Amino acid sequence: QVQLVESGGGVVQPGRSLRLSCAASGFIFRNNDVDWVRQAPGKGLEWVALISYDGSSTYYADSVKGRFTISRDNSKNKLFLQMNSLRTEDTAIYYCATSRDRGPFDSWGHGILVTVSS
Amino acid sequence: SYVLTQQPSVSVAPGKTARITCGGNNIGSKSVHWYQNKSGQAPVVVIYFDSDRPSGIPERFSGSNSANTATLTISRVEVGDEADYYCQLWDSSSDHRVFGGGTKLTVL
Repeated sequence: QVQLVESGGGVVQPGRSLRLSCAASGFIFRNNDVDWVRQAPGKGLEWVALISYDGSSTYYADSVKGRFTISRDNSKNKLFLQMNSLRTEDTAIYYCATSRDRGPFDSWGHGILVTVSS
Repeated sequence: SYVLTQQPSVSVAPGKTARITCGGNNIGSKSVHWYQNKSGQAPVVVIYFDSDRPSGIPERFSGSNSANTATLTISRVEVGDEADYYCQLWDSSSDHRVFGGGTKLTVL
Protein backbone atom coordinates (compact mmCIF):
# COMPACT_ATOMS: atom_id res chain seq x y z
CA GLN A 1 0.00 0.00 0.00
CA VAL A 2 1.04 3.62 -0.48
CA GLN A 3 3.17 4.91 2.36
CA LEU A 4 4.76 8.30 2.92
CA VAL A 5 6.83 8.70 6.06
CA GLU A 6 8.25 12.06 7.09
CA SER A 7 11.28 12.46 9.31
CA GLY A 8 13.75 15.09 10.44
CA GLY A 9 11.46 17.32 12.48
CA GLY A 10 12.18 18.72 15.90
CA VAL A 11 12.90 21.89 17.83
CA VAL A 12 15.21 24.48 16.28
CA GLN A 13 16.14 28.05 17.12
CA PRO A 14 15.11 30.95 14.89
CA GLY A 15 17.58 31.56 12.10
CA ARG A 16 18.82 27.98 12.07
CA SER A 17 18.27 25.26 9.48
CA LEU A 18 16.50 21.91 9.34
CA ARG A 19 16.13 19.25 6.64
CA LEU A 20 12.99 17.19 6.35
CA SER A 21 12.78 13.89 4.50
CA CYS A 22 9.85 11.90 3.17
CA ALA A 23 10.33 8.23 2.34
CA ALA A 24 7.90 6.79 -0.20
CA SER A 25 6.90 3.19 -0.79
CA GLY A 26 4.11 1.13 -2.33
CA PHE A 27 3.88 3.08 -5.58
CA ILE A 28 6.01 4.31 -8.46
CA PHE A 29 7.47 7.41 -6.84
CA ARG A 30 9.08 8.79 -10.00
CA ASN A 31 5.66 9.06 -11.68
CA ASN A 32 4.26 11.51 -9.14
CA ASP A 33 4.63 15.17 -8.32
CA VAL A 34 5.20 15.67 -4.61
CA ASP A 35 4.42 18.61 -2.35
CA TRP A 36 5.06 19.80 1.16
CA VAL A 37 2.01 21.15 2.96
CA ARG A 38 2.07 22.49 6.52
CA GLN A 39 -0.41 23.23 9.27
CA ALA A 40 0.48 25.61 12.06
CA PRO A 41 -1.03 24.88 15.49
CA GLY A 42 -4.74 25.69 15.40
CA LYS A 43 -4.52 26.97 11.82
CA GLY A 44 -5.48 25.78 8.36
CA LEU A 45 -3.57 23.96 5.68
CA GLU A 46 -0.88 25.95 3.88
CA TRP A 47 0.87 24.83 0.72
CA VAL A 48 4.66 25.11 0.96
CA ALA A 49 6.30 23.73 -2.18
CA LEU A 50 5.91 21.37 -5.14
CA ILE A 51 8.43 19.40 -7.17
CA SER A 52 7.54 17.77 -10.45
CA TYR A 53 7.82 14.03 -10.96
CA ASP A 54 11.26 14.28 -12.57
CA GLY A 55 12.58 17.14 -10.43
CA SER A 56 12.77 19.52 -13.38
CA SER A 57 10.28 22.03 -11.96
CA THR A 58 9.87 23.46 -8.49
CA TYR A 59 7.37 25.95 -7.10
CA TYR A 60 7.24 27.71 -3.74
CA ALA A 61 4.78 29.62 -1.61
CA ASP A 62 5.74 33.27 -1.26
CA SER A 63 6.18 32.77 2.50
CA VAL A 64 9.10 30.35 2.03
CA LYS A 65 10.59 31.33 -1.32
CA GLY A 66 14.30 31.98 -1.01
CA ARG A 67 14.53 30.17 2.34
CA PHE A 68 13.26 26.65 1.59
CA THR A 69 14.42 24.25 -1.13
CA ILE A 70 12.48 21.18 -2.25
CA SER A 71 14.33 18.30 -3.89
CA ARG A 72 13.95 14.60 -4.59
CA ASP A 73 15.99 11.48 -5.22
CA ASN A 74 13.95 9.14 -7.41
CA SER A 75 16.60 6.41 -7.15
CA LYS A 76 15.94 6.28 -3.39
CA ASN A 77 12.22 7.16 -3.45
CA LYS A 78 12.82 10.16 -1.23
CA LEU A 79 11.66 13.76 -1.03
CA PHE A 80 13.45 16.50 0.89
CA LEU A 81 12.80 19.98 2.22
CA GLN A 82 15.80 22.06 3.19
CA MET A 83 14.59 24.83 5.49
CA ASN A 84 16.98 27.72 6.14
CA SER A 85 16.59 30.97 8.09
CA LEU A 86 13.73 29.46 10.06
CA ARG A 87 11.22 31.76 11.72
CA THR A 88 8.82 31.20 14.59
CA GLU A 89 5.95 31.35 12.09
CA ASP A 90 7.38 28.26 10.35
CA THR A 91 6.30 26.20 13.37
CA ALA A 92 3.87 23.61 12.00
CA ILE A 93 3.19 20.01 11.19
CA TYR A 94 4.73 19.36 7.77
CA TYR A 95 3.13 16.82 5.46
CA CYS A 96 4.43 15.37 2.22
CA ALA A 97 1.69 14.58 -0.29
CA THR A 98 1.57 13.16 -3.80
CA SER A 99 -0.37 14.19 -6.86
CA ARG A 100 -0.25 14.03 -10.65
CA ASP A 101 -0.46 16.79 -13.24
CA ARG A 102 -1.20 19.46 -10.59
CA GLY A 103 -4.30 17.50 -9.62
CA PRO A 104 -5.58 16.60 -6.15
CA PHE A 105 -3.41 15.20 -3.38
CA ASP A 106 -4.13 11.48 -3.43
CA SER A 107 -1.82 10.36 -0.61
CA TRP A 108 -0.47 12.07 2.48
CA GLY A 109 2.13 11.24 5.06
CA HIS A 110 1.32 11.27 8.76
CA GLY A 111 3.12 14.60 9.22
CA ILE A 112 6.14 15.71 11.23
CA LEU A 113 6.27 18.53 13.76
CA VAL A 114 8.74 21.37 13.35
CA THR A 115 8.99 23.82 16.23
CA VAL A 116 10.97 27.02 15.81
CA SER A 117 11.60 28.53 19.20
CA SER A 118 14.38 30.13 21.20
CA SER B 1 -2.34 35.92 -5.60
CA TYR B 2 -5.54 33.91 -5.87
CA VAL B 3 -7.69 33.80 -2.74
CA LEU B 4 -10.23 31.15 -1.70
CA THR B 5 -12.81 32.15 0.91
CA GLN B 6 -14.66 29.65 3.11
CA GLN B 7 -17.13 30.09 5.95
CA PRO B 8 -15.31 29.50 9.26
CA SER B 9 -17.99 27.18 10.55
CA VAL B 10 -21.13 25.28 9.60
CA SER B 11 -23.44 23.54 12.05
CA VAL B 12 -26.01 20.92 11.07
CA ALA B 13 -28.18 18.34 12.80
CA PRO B 14 -27.65 14.64 12.07
CA GLY B 15 -29.54 13.52 9.00
CA LYS B 16 -29.68 17.00 7.51
CA THR B 17 -27.70 18.47 4.61
CA ALA B 18 -24.54 20.53 5.04
CA ARG B 19 -23.35 22.90 2.34
CA ILE B 20 -19.82 24.23 2.54
CA THR B 21 -18.86 26.94 0.08
CA CYS B 22 -15.59 28.10 -1.40
CA GLY B 23 -15.54 31.48 -3.07
CA GLY B 24 -13.02 32.71 -5.61
CA ASN B 25 -12.84 34.96 -8.62
CA ASN B 26 -14.22 32.96 -11.56
CA ILE B 27 -13.54 29.76 -9.64
CA GLY B 28 -15.91 27.97 -12.01
CA SER B 29 -13.15 28.03 -14.61
CA LYS B 30 -10.78 26.12 -12.32
CA SER B 31 -10.72 22.59 -10.92
CA VAL B 32 -11.49 22.43 -7.21
CA HIS B 33 -10.66 19.66 -4.77
CA TRP B 34 -12.07 19.15 -1.28
CA TYR B 35 -10.33 17.59 1.74
CA GLN B 36 -11.66 16.32 5.04
CA ASN B 37 -9.27 16.86 7.93
CA LYS B 38 -10.14 15.20 11.21
CA SER B 39 -8.26 16.19 14.33
CA GLY B 40 -4.87 14.51 14.59
CA GLN B 41 -5.13 12.88 11.19
CA ALA B 42 -3.79 13.63 7.72
CA PRO B 43 -6.27 15.17 5.28
CA VAL B 44 -8.26 12.95 2.94
CA VAL B 45 -9.64 13.99 -0.45
CA VAL B 46 -13.41 13.63 -0.55
CA ILE B 47 -14.15 15.36 -3.87
CA TYR B 48 -11.74 16.06 -6.72
CA PHE B 49 -12.04 17.90 -10.01
CA ASP B 50 -15.16 19.71 -8.78
CA SER B 51 -17.47 16.72 -8.47
CA ASP B 52 -15.64 13.40 -8.71
CA ARG B 53 -15.70 11.16 -5.67
CA PRO B 54 -12.82 8.80 -4.78
CA SER B 55 -13.58 5.17 -4.13
CA GLY B 56 -14.45 4.65 -0.50
CA ILE B 57 -16.04 8.07 -0.07
CA PRO B 58 -19.79 7.79 0.58
CA GLU B 59 -22.22 8.95 -2.09
CA ARG B 60 -23.50 11.41 0.49
CA PHE B 61 -20.56 13.63 -0.49
CA SER B 62 -20.98 15.65 -3.68
CA GLY B 63 -19.50 18.75 -5.24
CA SER B 64 -20.34 21.48 -7.71
CA ASN B 65 -18.53 24.48 -9.13
CA SER B 66 -19.91 27.43 -11.05
CA ALA B 67 -19.24 31.13 -11.51
CA ASN B 68 -17.59 32.39 -8.29
CA THR B 69 -18.53 29.57 -5.90
CA ALA B 70 -17.65 25.91 -5.45
CA THR B 71 -19.80 23.91 -3.06
CA LEU B 72 -19.29 20.72 -1.10
CA THR B 73 -22.60 19.13 -0.15
CA ILE B 74 -22.87 16.45 2.50
CA SER B 75 -26.28 14.79 2.60
CA ARG B 76 -27.68 12.85 5.55
CA VAL B 77 -24.90 14.15 7.76
CA GLU B 78 -23.50 11.77 10.37
CA VAL B 79 -21.61 12.48 13.58
CA GLY B 80 -18.55 10.93 11.97
CA ASP B 81 -18.52 13.71 9.35
CA GLU B 82 -17.40 16.24 11.96
CA ALA B 83 -14.13 17.65 10.67
CA ASP B 84 -12.49 20.63 9.04
CA TYR B 85 -13.05 20.82 5.30
CA TYR B 86 -10.72 22.61 2.89
CA CYS B 87 -11.10 23.53 -0.75
CA GLN B 88 -7.97 23.64 -2.88
CA LEU B 89 -6.94 24.32 -6.45
CA TRP B 90 -3.95 24.92 -8.68
CA ASP B 91 -3.67 28.54 -9.80
CA SER B 92 -1.93 28.38 -13.15
CA SER B 93 -1.45 32.15 -13.33
CA SER B 94 0.85 32.10 -10.30
CA ASP B 95 1.96 28.44 -10.39
CA HIS B 96 0.79 28.08 -6.80
CA ARG B 97 -1.45 25.66 -5.03
CA VAL B 98 -4.08 27.50 -3.00
CA PHE B 99 -6.08 26.32 0.00
CA GLY B 100 -9.17 27.91 1.40
CA GLY B 101 -9.11 28.87 5.05
CA GLY B 102 -11.13 25.83 6.06
CA THR B 103 -14.64 25.27 7.40
CA LYS B 104 -15.30 23.52 10.69
CA LEU B 105 -18.33 21.26 10.38
CA THR B 106 -20.12 20.65 13.64
CA VAL B 107 -22.82 18.00 13.87
CA LEU B 108 -25.20 19.07 16.59
